[in-house]
Amino acid sequence: DAKTTQPTSMDCAEGRAANLPCNHSTISGNEYVYWYRQIHSQGPQYIIHGLKNNETNEMASLIITEDRKSSTLILPHATLRDTAVYYCIVRVASDSSYKLIFGSGTRLLVRP
Amino acid sequence: DTAVSQTPKYLVTQMGNDKSIKCEQNLGHDTMYWYKQDSKKFLKIMFSYNNKELIINETVPNRFSPKSPDKAHLNLHINSLELGDSAVYFCASSQTSGRQFFGPGTRLTVL
Repeated sequence: DAKTTQPTSMDCAEGRAANLPCNHSTISGNEYVYWYRQIHSQGPQYIIHGLKNNETNEMASLIITEDRKSSTLILPHATLRDTAVYYCIVRVASDSSYKLIFGSGTRLLVRP
Repeated sequence: DTAVSQTPKYLVTQMGNDKSIKCEQNLGHDTMYWYKQDSKKFLKIMFSYNNKELIINETVPNRFSPKSPDKAHLNLHINSLELGDSAVYFCASSQTSGRQFFGPGTRLTVL
């Protein structure tokens, strides 16, 4: 089962910041938080990931609370092309590998 | 220069048939995966191979058999297709524990 909970849907205005919350209260100390998005039925696209510290890249910023029980993905200037389903994922260790266990995600609608 | 490619993109077939989906990655990654996304849009991992060795095998019917001829390829063969196998199948690859790159998906419809 997914170790994350997210709102089912959100919307924001084009050009404004989109803040997508995620709860992962059962996360373990060495488990990373990953964010992916899926536009229409395309393959999921990696956005960003982090362990403890806040992270920023050309797509987004990831803010992780100090207790690591929740995080927020920030798209600083949302565009219409950012309309997608956003998945917050806790990467789980499995044998000699890792698994991404997807939840139901947040459907983000960016309004003109 | 597609990073992770899958063929075919669409596959329509009758119940009971056997079919294969192919996946290739040109990223030099050592780990490849198969995911299934059902009609409710839940993405679930099915298999993972590292250096041609099966390392993750979720609770998947044994009608599904992955095959990795080399590190760059991971094919999925499905025997005796059932209506419930209709879904979009995504292949992905990563360098060991790194981020995963997904293919465009194969939409399988079983009639």
